[in-house]
Amino acid sequence: SAVISQKPSRDICQRGTSLTIQCQVDSQVTMMFWYRQQPGQSLTLIATANQGSEATYESGFVIDKFPISRPNLTFSTLTVSNMSPEDSSIYLCSVALGGGTGEAFFGQGTRLTVV
Amino acid sequence: QQQVKQSPQSLIVQKGGISIINCAYENTAFDYFPWYQQFPGKGPALLIAIRPDVSEKKEGRFTISFNKSAKQFSLHIMDSQPGDSATYFCAASMGRTGANNLFFGTGTRLTVIP
Repeated sequence: SAVISQKPSRDICQRGTSLTIQCQVDSQVTMMFWYRQQPGQSLTLIATANQGSEATYESGFVIDKFPISRPNLTFSTLTVSNMSPEDSSIYLCSVALGGGTGEAFFGQGTRLTVV
Repeated sequence: QQQVKQSPQSLIVQKGGISIINCAYENTAFDYFPWYQQFPGKGPALLIAIRPDVSEKKEGRFTISFNKSAKQFSLHIMDSQPGDSATYFCAASMGRTGANNLFFGTGTRLTVIP
């Protein structure tokens, strides 16, 4: 299994500012994922972050808005840039362990409110 | 377009009863179907998962039933307990790594009444 720590757990931010969310994993993993969960909604994949390469973004998400860093095999950050109230969501970090088991582990999430 | 459709949106069950949540998908390339349980303020946690080469998988009180021809799968929680009260998400993905790009259902909020 994997233990994932996300920081901050919640934040209230002003419109137009940026917030960087950190994700730390207790083991080395190849693939890390960032999801968005809007209030009462399902989870939507924002991007996949592999160490040593550019993140791959899903349709509807762009690097200028959600820049991602992946400096090593245990850490990643997601920045939500130039925030608007529509960015108010829970942002979740996830990792997939190797071996093709298919299991994904999630952090506890970062609850972001933009005012 | 919702790749995985989930119902019901909410479910109330008496303690000891059976909770049933249903999901349907269209993409026949999906080959990994996990269920996640999420408590308030927590991230989703894998509950049980199935691949399409079997029709049923049971782990304790939790069972996945899978109907490949109908492209449907369901979660059954036997002897439901108040501690099972949570939001449940079905999901699907394709490829050997499984967890790459999970498509989630819309979630079912389960409440088990003592």
